[in-house]
Amino acid sequence: DTEVTQTPKHLVMGMTNKKSLKCEQHMGHRAMYWYKQKAKKPPELMFVYSYEKLSINESVPSRFSPECPNSSLLNLHLHALQPEDSALYLCASSQEPRGPYEQYFGPGTRLTVT
Amino acid sequence: GNSVTQMEGPVTLSEEAFLTINCTYTATGYPSLFWYVQYPGEGLQLLLKATKADDKGSNKGFEATYRKETTSFHLEKGSVQVSDSAVYFCALSEGSWGKLQFGAGTQVVVTP
Repeated sequence: DTEVTQTPKHLVMGMTNKKSLKCEQHMGHRAMYWYKQKAKKPPELMFVYSYEKLSINESVPSRFSPECPNSSLLNLHLHALQPEDSALYLCASSQEPRGPYEQYFGPGTRLTVT
Repeated sequence: GNSVTQMEGPVTLSEEAFLTINCTYTATGYPSLFWYVQYPGEGLQLLLKATKADDKGSNKGFEATYRKETTSFHLEKGSVQVSDSAVYFCALSEGSWGKLQFGAGTQVVVTP
Protein backbone atom coordinates (compact mmCIF):
# COMPACT_ATOMS: atom_id res chain seq x y z
CA ASP A 1 0.00 0.00 0.00
CA THR A 2 1.51 3.31 -1.09
CA GLU A 3 -1.16 5.60 0.27
CA VAL A 4 -0.72 8.99 1.83
CA THR A 5 -3.95 10.48 3.18
CA GLN A 6 -4.71 14.15 3.78
CA THR A 7 -7.57 15.90 5.54
CA PRO A 8 -9.51 17.97 4.93
CA LYS A 9 -9.89 17.83 1.17
CA HIS A 10 -11.07 21.44 1.00
CA LEU A 11 -10.66 24.29 3.49
CA VAL A 12 -11.92 27.86 3.42
CA MET A 13 -10.61 30.15 6.12
CA GLY A 14 -10.54 33.81 6.95
CA MET A 15 -7.34 35.73 7.53
CA THR A 16 -7.84 35.69 11.30
CA ASN A 17 -8.62 32.00 11.62
CA LYS A 18 -6.43 29.20 12.92
CA LYS A 19 -6.71 25.84 11.19
CA SER A 20 -4.65 22.69 10.71
CA LEU A 21 -3.98 20.34 7.83
CA LYS A 22 -3.33 16.70 8.58
CA CYS A 23 -1.31 14.07 6.72
CA GLU A 24 -0.89 10.38 7.51
CA GLN A 25 1.10 7.49 6.07
CA HIS A 26 1.46 3.89 7.24
CA MET A 27 4.28 2.77 4.98
CA GLY A 28 6.96 3.09 7.65
CA HIS A 29 8.51 6.00 5.77
CA ARG A 30 10.99 8.10 7.74
CA ALA A 31 10.80 11.29 5.69
CA MET A 32 7.72 13.47 5.24
CA TYR A 33 7.27 16.65 3.25
CA TRP A 34 4.93 19.61 2.82
CA TYR A 35 4.59 21.23 -0.59
CA LYS A 36 2.59 24.18 -1.84
CA GLN A 37 1.26 24.13 -5.41
CA LYS A 38 -0.24 27.08 -7.22
CA ALA A 39 -2.38 26.59 -10.31
CA LYS A 40 -0.46 25.48 -13.41
CA LYS A 41 2.85 25.35 -11.50
CA PRO A 42 4.96 22.52 -10.09
CA PRO A 43 4.93 21.88 -6.34
CA GLU A 44 7.23 24.02 -4.21
CA LEU A 45 8.90 22.42 -1.20
CA MET A 46 8.05 23.99 2.16
CA PHE A 47 9.31 21.62 4.87
CA VAL A 48 11.12 18.31 5.23
CA TYR A 49 10.89 16.09 8.31
CA SER A 50 13.46 13.38 8.73
CA TYR A 51 12.95 10.83 11.50
CA GLU A 52 10.36 13.15 13.04
CA LYS A 53 12.73 16.11 13.20
CA LEU A 54 12.47 19.22 11.07
CA SER A 55 15.38 19.08 8.64
CA ILE A 56 14.52 21.71 6.07
CA ASN A 57 12.47 24.88 6.21
CA GLU A 58 12.52 26.55 2.81
CA SER A 59 12.22 30.06 4.27
CA VAL A 60 8.50 29.62 4.81
CA PRO A 61 6.69 32.45 6.66
CA SER A 62 6.00 31.78 10.34
CA ARG A 63 2.25 31.81 9.75
CA PHE A 64 2.84 28.21 8.59
CA SER A 65 3.91 25.95 11.46
CA PRO A 66 4.66 22.27 10.84
CA GLU A 67 4.48 19.53 13.45
CA CYS A 68 5.36 15.84 13.37
CA PRO A 69 3.71 14.16 16.41
CA ASN A 70 4.93 10.68 15.42
CA SER A 71 6.44 8.80 12.53
CA SER A 72 3.09 8.43 10.73
CA LEU A 73 1.58 11.86 11.18
CA LEU A 74 2.40 15.30 9.86
CA ASN A 75 0.43 18.44 10.58
CA LEU A 76 0.57 21.94 9.16
CA HIS A 77 -0.84 24.62 11.46
CA LEU A 78 -2.11 27.75 9.75
CA HIS A 79 -2.59 31.15 11.37
CA ALA A 80 -3.19 34.65 10.02
CA LEU A 81 -2.86 33.59 6.41
CA GLN A 82 -3.01 35.92 3.43
CA PRO A 83 -5.13 35.51 0.27
CA GLU A 84 -1.96 34.71 -1.69
CA ASP A 85 -1.57 31.59 0.47
CA SER A 86 -4.55 30.07 -1.32
CA ALA A 87 -3.19 26.97 -3.05
CA LEU A 88 -3.16 23.17 -3.08
CA TYR A 89 -1.12 21.86 -0.14
CA LEU A 90 0.44 18.49 -0.76
CA CYS A 91 1.97 16.10 1.71
CA ALA A 92 4.46 13.45 0.61
CA SER A 93 6.58 10.73 2.20
CA SER A 94 9.60 8.67 1.22
CA GLN A 95 11.35 5.66 2.69
CA GLU A 96 14.41 7.65 3.71
CA PRO A 97 15.29 11.36 3.47
CA ARG A 98 18.42 10.73 1.40
CA GLY A 99 19.11 8.42 -1.51
CA PRO A 100 17.24 7.37 -4.65
CA TYR A 101 13.87 7.09 -2.97
CA GLU A 102 10.71 8.19 -4.65
CA GLN A 103 8.21 10.38 -2.89
CA TYR A 104 4.58 9.36 -2.58
CA PHE A 105 2.09 12.20 -2.57
CA GLY A 106 -1.30 12.58 -0.95
CA PRO A 107 -4.34 13.99 -2.76
CA GLY A 108 -3.82 17.43 -1.27
CA THR A 109 -5.87 20.00 0.62
CA ARG A 110 -7.34 22.79 -1.51
CA LEU A 111 -7.02 25.91 0.70
CA THR A 112 -8.86 29.14 0.04
CA VAL A 113 -8.09 32.18 2.21
CA THR A 114 -10.77 34.87 2.17
CA GLY B 1 22.40 24.18 -9.33
CA ASN B 2 20.11 21.44 -10.54
CA SER B 3 17.39 22.13 -13.07
CA VAL B 4 14.84 20.30 -15.20
CA THR B 5 13.51 21.52 -18.53
CA GLN B 6 10.35 20.11 -20.05
CA MET B 7 8.68 20.82 -23.35
CA GLU B 8 5.89 23.34 -23.04
CA GLY B 9 2.30 22.34 -23.45
CA PRO B 10 -0.45 21.88 -23.94
CA VAL B 11 0.16 18.85 -26.10
CA THR B 12 -3.04 17.85 -27.88
CA LEU B 13 -3.34 14.37 -29.36
CA SER B 14 -5.96 12.09 -30.76
CA GLU B 15 -6.68 8.79 -29.05
CA GLU B 16 -4.23 6.01 -30.02
CA ALA B 17 -1.56 8.53 -31.08
CA PHE B 18 2.08 8.27 -29.99
CA LEU B 19 3.10 10.54 -27.13
CA THR B 20 6.56 11.94 -26.42
CA ILE B 21 7.31 14.52 -23.73
CA ASN B 22 10.88 15.76 -23.75
CA CYS B 23 12.75 16.25 -20.49
CA THR B 24 16.37 17.33 -20.07
CA TYR B 25 18.20 18.00 -16.86
CA THR B 26 21.24 19.69 -15.39
CA ALA B 27 22.80 18.15 -12.31
CA THR B 28 26.20 18.21 -10.67
CA GLY B 29 26.15 14.56 -9.58
CA TYR B 30 24.24 11.41 -10.43
CA PRO B 31 20.57 12.11 -9.89
CA SER B 32 17.60 9.80 -9.76
CA LEU B 33 14.95 10.73 -12.30
CA PHE B 34 11.17 10.53 -12.02
CA TRP B 35 8.01 11.14 -13.96
CA TYR B 36 4.93 12.13 -11.98
CA VAL B 37 1.40 12.55 -13.32
CA GLN B 38 -1.29 14.83 -11.91
CA TYR B 39 -4.90 14.29 -12.95
CA PRO B 40 -7.30 17.23 -12.59
CA GLY B 41 -8.09 17.99 -8.95
CA GLU B 42 -5.71 15.35 -7.59
CA GLY B 43 -2.26 15.01 -6.08
CA LEU B 44 0.82 13.76 -7.89
CA GLN B 45 1.21 10.07 -8.68
CA LEU B 46 4.57 8.48 -9.34
CA LEU B 47 4.48 7.16 -12.89
CA LEU B 48 7.99 5.73 -13.21
CA LYS B 49 11.56 6.21 -12.10
CA ALA B 50 15.18 5.46 -13.03
CA THR B 51 18.11 5.64 -10.67
CA LYS B 52 21.14 5.21 -12.91
CA ALA B 53 22.31 5.69 -16.48
CA ASP B 54 20.66 3.44 -19.10
CA ASP B 55 17.92 2.37 -16.68
CA LYS B 56 14.49 2.19 -18.29
CA GLY B 57 11.47 2.93 -16.15
CA SER B 58 8.08 1.69 -17.30
CA ASN B 59 4.52 1.66 -16.02
CA LYS B 60 1.02 1.60 -17.53
CA GLY B 61 2.43 1.62 -21.08
CA PHE B 62 4.69 4.63 -20.39
CA GLU B 63 8.46 4.34 -20.71
CA ALA B 64 11.48 6.57 -20.16
CA THR B 65 15.19 5.83 -20.41
CA TYR B 66 17.86 7.59 -18.35
CA ARG B 67 20.33 8.94 -20.93
CA LYS B 68 23.40 10.35 -19.23
CA GLU B 69 25.17 11.28 -22.46
CA THR B 70 22.29 13.55 -23.52
CA THR B 71 21.12 14.34 -19.95
CA SER B 72 17.60 13.39 -20.95
CA PHE B 73 14.66 11.35 -19.64
CA HIS B 74 11.99 11.58 -22.31
CA LEU B 75 8.58 10.07 -21.61
CA GLU B 76 6.88 7.97 -24.31
CA LYS B 77 3.66 6.04 -24.76
CA GLY B 78 2.76 4.16 -27.89
CA SER B 79 -1.01 4.60 -27.87
CA VAL B 80 -2.64 7.20 -25.62
CA GLN B 81 -6.17 7.09 -24.25
CA VAL B 82 -8.50 9.89 -23.22
CA SER B 83 -7.81 8.85 -19.61
CA ASP B 84 -4.14 9.85 -20.08
CA SER B 85 -5.17 13.52 -20.16
CA ALA B 86 -3.25 15.07 -17.29
CA VAL B 87 -0.23 17.19 -16.38
CA TYR B 88 3.09 15.35 -16.46
CA PHE B 89 6.06 16.47 -14.36
CA CYS B 90 9.65 15.39 -14.85
CA ALA B 91 11.73 15.58 -11.66
CA LEU B 92 15.16 14.79 -10.34
CA SER B 93 16.59 14.08 -6.93
CA GLU B 94 20.25 14.05 -6.04
CA GLY B 95 19.52 12.52 -2.68
CA SER B 96 20.14 15.72 -0.80
CA TRP B 97 17.41 15.56 1.81
CA GLY B 98 15.09 14.14 -0.84
CA LYS B 99 14.63 17.50 -2.49
CA LEU B 100 12.83 17.03 -5.78
CA GLN B 101 13.59 19.49 -8.56
CA PHE B 102 10.54 19.62 -10.82
CA GLY B 103 10.17 20.70 -14.40
CA ALA B 104 7.41 23.18 -15.23
CA GLY B 105 4.97 20.42 -16.19
CA THR B 106 3.44 19.51 -19.54
CA GLN B 107 -0.31 19.37 -19.97
CA VAL B 108 -1.48 16.57 -22.25
CA VAL B 109 -4.96 16.60 -23.75
CA VAL B 110 -6.18 13.47 -25.55
CA THR B 111 -9.31 13.80 -27.67
CA PRO B 112 -11.55 10.91 -28.77
